[in-house]
Amino acid sequence: AQSVTQLGSHVSVSEGALVLLRCNYSSSVPPYLFWYVQYPNQGLQLLLKYTTGATLVKGINGFEAEFKKSETSFHLTKPSAHMSDAAEYFCAVRSNDYKLSFGAGTTVTVRA
Amino acid sequence: SQTIHQWPATLVQPVGSPLSLECTVEGTSNPNLYWYRQAAGRGLQLLFYSVGIGQISSEVPQNLSASRPQDRQFILSSKKLLLSDSGFYLCAWSPIPADTQYFGPGTRLTVL
Repeated sequence: AQSVTQLGSHVSVSEGALVLLRCNYSSSVPPYLFWYVQYPNQGLQLLLKYTTGATLVKGINGFEAEFKKSETSFHLTKPSAHMSDAAEYFCAVRSNDYKLSFGAGTTVTVRA
Repeated sequence: SQTIHQWPATLVQPVGSPLSLECTVEGTSNPNLYWYRQAAGRGLQLLFYSVGIGQISSEVPQNLSASRPQDRQFILSSKKLLLSDSGFYLCAWSPIPADTQYFGPGTRLTVL
């Protein structure tokens, strides 16, 4: 079965510092990988996704993620955190022909 | 462009009362539809998904049911709510199974 592990349920960074959110997955099929962001009391918004091709994927709001097959990882980064990046972030992997499996989420706090 | 609507936005219901949450998608046809629940401090739990009218798959045995009476309408129901049904309910759609899912704004349900 496909699954996603997000290391660290909470991450605190200073404004202007690097944001690094870790995601490891297991998949028995070629993985499709996603990162979503959720602001309080809102739905999830797609940040970026990897299906095939270039392993470094750029998304919205300055985020990017790199697919590393050998490490089964898809970590999300942003060089310089902004206060507006405070939110919850979810990594997801294609689970089977119909579903995605989501990680438990990482809450990001940005300190002024 | 495609849009997804959910209503109501918030709902407070007594234990034992019925429930009906509605989700509609505009601007596309034959979408794949999903219901998720987020309990406080927990990740996303897939409840139901549908690949077509009248085709519903249930992920977790529970007090809830889903129906898809029209191509772009997905309804989540319960005959008698439990306290444990409280949470944030999210509807999502995707044009292709197991690919990008687009989420609605969510419904906050509180069962008292």
